[in-house]
Amino acid sequence: GAGVSQSPRYKVTKRGQDVALRCDPISGHVSLYWYRQALGQGPEFLTYFNYEAQQDKSGLPNDRFSAERPEGSISTLTIQRTEQRDSAMYRCASRSFGDSGRGDTQYFGPGTRLTVL
Amino acid sequence: GQNIDQPTEMTATEGAIVQINCTYQTSGFNGLFWYQQHAGEAPTFLSYNVLDGLEEKGRFSSFLSRSKGYSYLLLKELQMKDSASYLCAVRGIYGGSQGNLIFGKGTKLSVKP
Repeated sequence: GAGVSQSPRYKVTKRGQDVALRCDPISGHVSLYWYRQALGQGPEFLTYFNYEAQQDKSGLPNDRFSAERPEGSISTLTIQRTEQRDSAMYRCASRSFGDSGRGDTQYFGPGTRLTVL
Repeated sequence: GQNIDQPTEMTATEGAIVQINCTYQTSGFNGLFWYQQHAGEAPTFLSYNVLDGLEEKGRFSSFLSRSKGYSYLLLKELQMKDSASYLCAVRGIYGGSQGNLIFGKGTKLSVKP
């Protein structure tokens, strides 16, 4: 079946511009997570949703970052007034429910590589 | 605070066995995961431990000791395709099984012929 998809795969933008990154989770997955991954590092948690409700946004670096999932499926991570330090791989993951054999693990998408010039 | 430590890099020989260690200090514990990540690709699930002991899955095994805050991933009969980064991740107690994962920095494993 289809996995987690993200678009665009690559985004180059100029400092000060706004960007919107899209995540399409595995069909039927209730929970959706956003992570940021720097080169040579593990993913760093940003925020997550159950259905359309944002459950935890403690990992968002500042108020330039926001996320939504209005219909409980596709999610958008928006970064306003981008800065060079925002350059990173942004990964989305969705979680299976009741997959106890795998600990309800999260399945990751291919990511969006954001470069802020 | 939250801290997960694992070696930065390891090298091993094709056909050999390698053990990748992970120690953690987190404010809560609700499971430990190992992921494999090939260069330029998404992390993929390898194993899950929530109780002490060894979980075996083919060439891969993972061990957990909650009292010691310690886990290891054991890879047997190494193949060249096992060259990748291996990520240790702990799930916190917030949100039950829905909680976010806290990742270590990953161990880059290079398998040599």
